[in-house]
Amino acid sequence: DTGVSQDPRHKITKRGQNVTFRCDPISEHNRLYWYRQTLGQGPEFLTYFQNEAQLEKSRLLSDRFSAERPKGSFSTLEIQRTEQGDSAMYLCASSSGQGDYGYTFGSGTRLTVV
Amino acid sequence: RKEVEQDPGPFNVPEGATVAFNCTYSNSASQSFFWYRQDCRKEPKLLMSVYSSGNEDGRFTAQLNRASQYISLLIRDSKLSDSATYLCVVLPTSGTYKYIFGTGTRLKVLA
Repeated sequence: DTGVSQDPRHKITKRGQNVTFRCDPISEHNRLYWYRQTLGQGPEFLTYFQNEAQLEKSRLLSDRFSAERPKGSFSTLEIQRTEQGDSAMYLCASSSGQGDYGYTFGSGTRLTVV
Repeated sequence: RKEVEQDPGPFNVPEGATVAFNCTYSNSASQSFFWYRQDCRKEPKLLMSVYSSGNEDGRFTAQLNRASQYISLLIRDSKLSDSATYLCVVLPTSGTYKYIFGTGTRLKVLA
């Protein structure tokens, strides 16, 4: 395990469908984060977990979005009833609880809602 | 006012030039600061942390000015491979690990 893995890399879905993304963090990292990035913008915070506890959620995370990290390892992000405005890159990152050395990001899941 | 502001650029510079980016942040209690690099359609990668005393990593120098609430990144002797977007990142307060990203500054190094 050399990095953060995200699956799938790309997802095209029709408006109104549900989608689920998976993130596997670096194994010794206890914090896991989800961000969303659209073209020309920096990543925007969605939510983060410390172990299995979801500690903070952005107001961007409407009730159509839900994230889980059931055993404190991998995490899923589900978007229900997708809208065209949900089209973006969804980035997962992880960090350790020791010190403050920034995040390691996964390669992201690019979502296109048609 | 945005929490973290950067000039989006693009900055087009010739190879070998020195280029500097600034970033301002709004929360004076901000704790930690970083520069990330993002290549086109790739994930952001940590370039360097920014310390109060300033720090250098090869051709890259980062500075923090708490009084004026800005951080800077200086790149000397620019290479073609430095072409990327540089994201300024701030941890706004203690008790959270939610980093705030700027919109990024695009750099294009020209041959």
